Amino acid sequence: NAGVTQTPKFRILKIGQSMTLQCTQDMNHNYMYWYRQDPGMGLKLIYYSVGAGITDKGEVPNGYNVSRSTTEDFPLRLELAAPSQTSVYFCASSPPRGGQYFGPGTRLTVT
Amino acid sequence: DQQVKQNSPSLSVQEGRISILNCDYTNSMFDYFLWYKKYPAEGPTFLISISSIKDKNEDGRFTVFLNKSAKHLSLHIVPSQPGDSAVYFCAAFEGGGTSYGKLTFGQGTILTVHP
Repeated sequence: NAGVTQTPKFRILKIGQSMTLQCTQDMNHNYMYWYRQDPGMGLKLIYYSVGAGITDKGEVPNGYNVSRSTTEDFPLRLELAAPSQTSVYFCASSPPRGGQYFGPGTRLTVT
Repeated sequence: DQQVKQNSPSLSVQEGRISILNCDYTNSMFDYFLWYKKYPAEGPTFLISISSIKDKNEDGRFTVFLNKSAKHLSLHIVPSQPGDSAVYFCAAFEGGGTSYGKLTFGQGTILTVHP
């Protein structure tokens, strides 16, 4: 039982490049989330999903896209990377109203 | 608008003493509160939670207190151990029939426990 896994662990992008952050969970949770954490700040919700085929915007969705074709996977897409997207990205999953289980994070630098 | 605030960026305590981490919130619709612990280069891990129908919840060395009238919660760690050194986040769910687990997080408090 791996829990929530994220790839890659680290990535450096040039401005304007695109990439997909992968997230997979094996706990059969319906709910999945993407957060970003900037230095000295709490986690801010980017997008979330309450089940396969259903996604919705969180607090800071601009510049990102998501899809949820399966219960297990919830990839986050950056289309035109900008320096403001330099952050640590966490994926999480949960049962309804339960504590969220987080992945180890992806540290992204955009230069 | 920061709906969940942890006003102390850091806290330093001696091993064996009590650690008290504080959290304030402004949204009266929050009805379920959680504390997460985060080590460097790892994702946050769930520590303890409390529903708004309670004012205290204990789990071993960890106790969370909720004061709804003051919109304040605190996490007590007794006795503190060096392995407790981490960043602690409080987080809150909004009720009112919302069924998905959307959390609002505080900024975090760095706890350092000295041997």
